[in-house]
Amino acid sequence: DTGVSQDPRHKITKRGQNVTFRCDPISEHNRLYWYRQTLGQGPEFLTYFQNEAQLEKSRLLSDRFSAERPKGSFSTLEIQRTEQGDSAMYLCASSLHTGFNTEAFFGQGTRLTVV
Amino acid sequence: DQQVKQNSPSLSVQEGRISILNCDYTNSMFDYFLWYKKYPAEGPTFLISISSIKDKNEDGRFTVFLNKSAKHLSLHIVPSQPGDSAVYFCAAISNTGNQFYFGTGTSLTVIP
Repeated sequence: DTGVSQDPRHKITKRGQNVTFRCDPISEHNRLYWYRQTLGQGPEFLTYFQNEAQLEKSRLLSDRFSAERPKGSFSTLEIQRTEQGDSAMYLCASSLHTGFNTEAFFGQGTRLTVV
Repeated sequence: DQQVKQNSPSLSVQEGRISILNCDYTNSMFDYFLWYKKYPAEGPTFLISISSIKDKNEDGRFTVFLNKSAKHLSLHIVPSQPGDSAVYFCAAISNTGNQFYFGTGTSLTVIP
């Protein structure tokens, strides 16, 4: 296992279009997180899954955003009707949570540019 | 509401010297703290972590210190190397463990 994988690495889209990103976590990890990062800021939490269950969503996650993790393996993040303010780096992370906190490992990110 | 704060946006250090990066937090429920290193256009890379039951954790050139009473942690890099030049983020998570909270980062430049 080579770590968390995200696809695509870069995406340029026109305002109003829909985009979908994919994340493949480390295989034995049960938690999967989506974060967003803009220039000069730290990563901001969007949502997380425990296995296939989406347990928490940030208020940053408007109704244009939806995330899924079918079968508790890979996850997708879809943004509908993209806006220029959606331009950011979208980061996926995974961790193995067995009752105690452990580190989360991040993927390389997907850089979204909305023009 | 920024629960994890890194008040120094940037730091420059000579190669071979010590780099000290600082982080403060406000939430007393945080019980696990992490440092990540990030290069441009890449995702954060995990460096080192510390549980609230400890006050120090060391891994090679990297040492993290935790002062719970002051709600402060720091990352020491000794000796600093040019390859350490990157943005460093501290992060924290509470014992309910549903999300990691990140600071805004400190950009470290190690001068050869």
